[in-house]
Amino acid sequence: EPEVTQTPSHQVTQMGQEVILRCVPISNHLYFYWYRQILGQKVEFLVSFYNNEISEKSEIFDDQFSVERPDGSNFTLKIRSTKLEDSAMYFCASSMDSKETQYFGPGTRLLVL
Amino acid sequence: QKEVEQDPGPLSVPEGAIVSLNCTYSNSAFQYFMWYRQYSRKGPELLMYTYSSGNKEDGRFTAQVDKSSKYISLFIRDSQPSDSATYLCAMSVIQGAQKLVFGQGTRLTINP
Repeated sequence: EPEVTQTPSHQVTQMGQEVILRCVPISNHLYFYWYRQILGQKVEFLVSFYNNEISEKSEIFDDQFSVERPDGSNFTLKIRSTKLEDSAMYFCASSMDSKETQYFGPGTRLLVL
Repeated sequence: QKEVEQDPGPLSVPEGAIVSLNCTYSNSAFQYFMWYRQYSRKGPELLMYTYSSGNKEDGRFTAQVDKSSKYISLFIRDSQPSDSATYLCAMSVIQGAQKLVFGQGTRLTINP
């Protein structure tokens, strides 16, 4: 069964460093998403991406964040200058179209020290 | 008022019990309602998906939506220890790309 994959599974970084989280969505999906879950809190929407541009973004997704689909398979989330409060689990998701089910990857656990 | 509210539990029941998990919401624009299951340190996995008021059944799982009361439920019949997980309700409005709004999640333990 096709699935969303994410790398790395864990990332530890120093405050102020740049990190890139990588996702490979399901191959025939067209919509891509990033969510995050701070420990003990809700899963929160960050951004949706379609046709090589951002469809919607939340207030959390400020200028420190960017997304990119650098090739036909990868979808990346970049945090330019990490803060302590960026420590969270980051989930990538994809869907066939905007009204279809979103399938989530296993997540990347980011720890900012 | 929070957009989506869900009792975080934890909820602990014996094997075989019927489990009821609930969420309330405040945004009447929500049209799509989902239940996800999340095992520890894993991504959310879709269990049920519905967009109309009423009941939808899938095996031991029944999703119920009451749009007039802004209330959704997930029932698990004949609960099994393997059902032990965190259950997340999620909702979205109809628009270009679905932004899912999640509840807090209810941690459920089924005791053998």
